[in-house]
Order: sequence, then C-alpha cells, then structure tokens
Amino acid sequence: ETGVTQSPTHLIKTRGQQVTLRCSSQSGHNTVSWYQQALGQGPQFIFQYYREEENGRGNFPPRFSGLQFPNYSSELNVNALELDDSALYLCASSSGGNEQFFGPGTRLTVL
Amino acid sequence: AQTVTQSQPEMSVQEAETVTLSCTYDTSESDYYLFWYKQPPSRQMILVIRQEAYKQQNATENRFSVNFQKAAKSFSLKISDSQLGDAAMYFCAYRSGGGTSYDKVIFGPGTSLSVIP
Repeated sequence: ETGVTQSPTHLIKTRGQQVTLRCSSQSGHNTVSWYQQALGQGPQFIFQYYREEENGRGNFPPRFSGLQFPNYSSELNVNALELDDSALYLCASSSGGNEQFFGPGTRLTVL
Repeated sequence: AQTVTQSQPEMSVQEAETVTLSCTYDTSESDYYLFWYKQPPSRQMILVIRQEAYKQQNATENRFSVNFQKAAKSFSLKISDSQLGDAAMYFCAYRSGGGTSYDKVIFGPGTSLSVIP
C-alpha cells in the first residue's frame, strides 16, 4: 500500500509568483485535505476535495485554489505569493470520514 | 467554533520515564473525535492515538494512553517508558463526528518533547 506522497519536497519562489504543489493520495482514499503549517505552529486547514469537488474551506483567500483529479490526486495552487505564505504545506488523504493520513509536506519559501 | 489549546510549548523527559502532555478543547458538539499526532524532524505527521467522544473508555496504544475527561474538555497524552525516538512535536487535534460535509482537523499549537538519555 503506497502512502501519501507530495512534490516537490521544497521550493523557493519570489513574492508575486505563482506556485503549484502536488499530492498523491493513499490507495483507496477519495478525499484530500490541504493544510498550511507556519513555522512553530500547528497546521491550519486550507480546503478539502472529495470526488473532484471542493467540499470545505478554511479561512484562506481565493488566491489559494485547488484541483482533484479522477485518480484522486490533487494540486494546491497559490497565486500572487506573499512573504507570509512561507510555510510547510501538508496534504492528507482519507476515505469515508476515517483518519487522515498525511504526506511528508512541501516546504515553500517566499523571498 | 472549535478550538484546541496546548499550554505546554516544551516538555522534557528522562529516557524510560513517563511524561504527560496536556490538551484542552472547546466545542458545543457532542459527537467528535480527538487525536494526538506526532511530528518528528522529518516533518511526517503520524497518528499516535485516537479517541471517539462517545466512548468512555480511554484509548490505549502500546506505551501511549490518554486521559479523556469529556465534561472538563480535557484530553491528555501519557507516554510511558519514554524512548529517544519519542522526541518530536506533539499535536492535539479535533474533528467533528458528523453533520458536516467535510472533516477538517483542527490542531493545537503543539508541544515540543525532548527525551534526555
């Protein structure tokens, strides 16, 4: 059974740029959730995708958007990057409301 | 809105000893789940233990056990026979049990646990 994977591991962008982060869900999981974890803090819920549709969103602006594909993998897109977007972005997959299994995260640095 | 509080930013424990991490939460819901996650320096968030609110019996997973006090909205984690590999950030987390279309997890700010050889 393959776990949740994320790519890239880390990347550096400059303010104003756009970034796309990717997540492959665990086999058999149809739900993907994205979290932002600032340094020294707990993860904050960004949004969740279920069967290719967004079905829940946290307190994040519209420049944070996402997609889920038929194979349940997902992308997180962030436009007009700001310095405060620097964080660890975690993806978690689940199925049927059961436990969320997390990927290793993508470390984004915005300069 | 639900909130999760961890009042101990840092804790340390001697190897082989026992340590308890504290967590309190606030909710008006009656059906929910509570979790403890471990995040080592590798960044991978790992589920340590889970507690369903409707169960009175405290969850246990090997050396890890919880003290769930529903009326007090308290959910502490006890680690027995601490090992060097237990050193990590520990997050207390909450998830609604039902009635919502999505299952976001609300995390506390975390407790950094050091294990002293």
